[in-house]
Amino acid sequence: NAGVTQTPKFQVLKTGQSMTLQCAQDMNHNSMYWYRQDPGMGLRLIYYSASEGTTDKGEVPNGYNVSRLNKREFSLRLESAAPSQTSVYFCASSAPGQANTEAFFGQGTRLTVV
Amino acid sequence: AQSVTQLDSQVPVFEEAPVELRCNYSSSVSVYLFWYVQYPNQGLQLLLKYLSGSTLVESINGFEAEFNKSQTSFHLRKPSVHISDTAEYFCAVSPSGGSYIPTFGRGTSLIVHP
Repeated sequence: NAGVTQTPKFQVLKTGQSMTLQCAQDMNHNSMYWYRQDPGMGLRLIYYSASEGTTDKGEVPNGYNVSRLNKREFSLRLESAAPSQTSVYFCASSAPGQANTEAFFGQGTRLTVV
Repeated sequence: AQSVTQLDSQVPVFEEAPVELRCNYSSSVSVYLFWYVQYPNQGLQLLLKYLSGSTLVESINGFEAEFNKSQTSFHLRKPSVHISDTAEYFCAVSPSGGSYIPTFGRGTSLIVHP
């Protein structure tokens, strides 16, 4: 079982460059999430998608955009990267209301903006 | 909205000693509660969860947590830790209806010394 797959695993960007982080899940989950993890800050929600075709802002959406391409895929785009976006990014998915309602996480993308 | 407070950012302990990682939450609605574990350079994995029923929940590797509604706590305990338990532990809460979006604490680093 692949679960949640994120690409790339590592990325270095220059300030002002753009990139898209890809995420795909094979568990038929309706909900998908993008979090960023910074030291001492835990995980903070950037955007989420409750179902295909819908997206909503989380706690820290500024500087990011998302696309829920289909039920499997949820991408995160940085249009003009800034050093403050240096972080570890995690994609997660879940099946709310089901017995296994917990979030399943990808392995993360370690992004450095110089 | 809900919030999670993990009272200790770092907990050092010797191997075979007991450990407690503390978690308190606040929410205006009923919640589900989770503990996740993150090993170095990996994503988060579910350790245990409380959805309903018995307030004491256990994991397969000897951890347990007790849901205390009056104290709004969900502390994680293990009677005897191993070196391999060294990791970052995150407490999370999600509403038991509506958006189900999980909110995470800032994490507790458990460091087990030989």
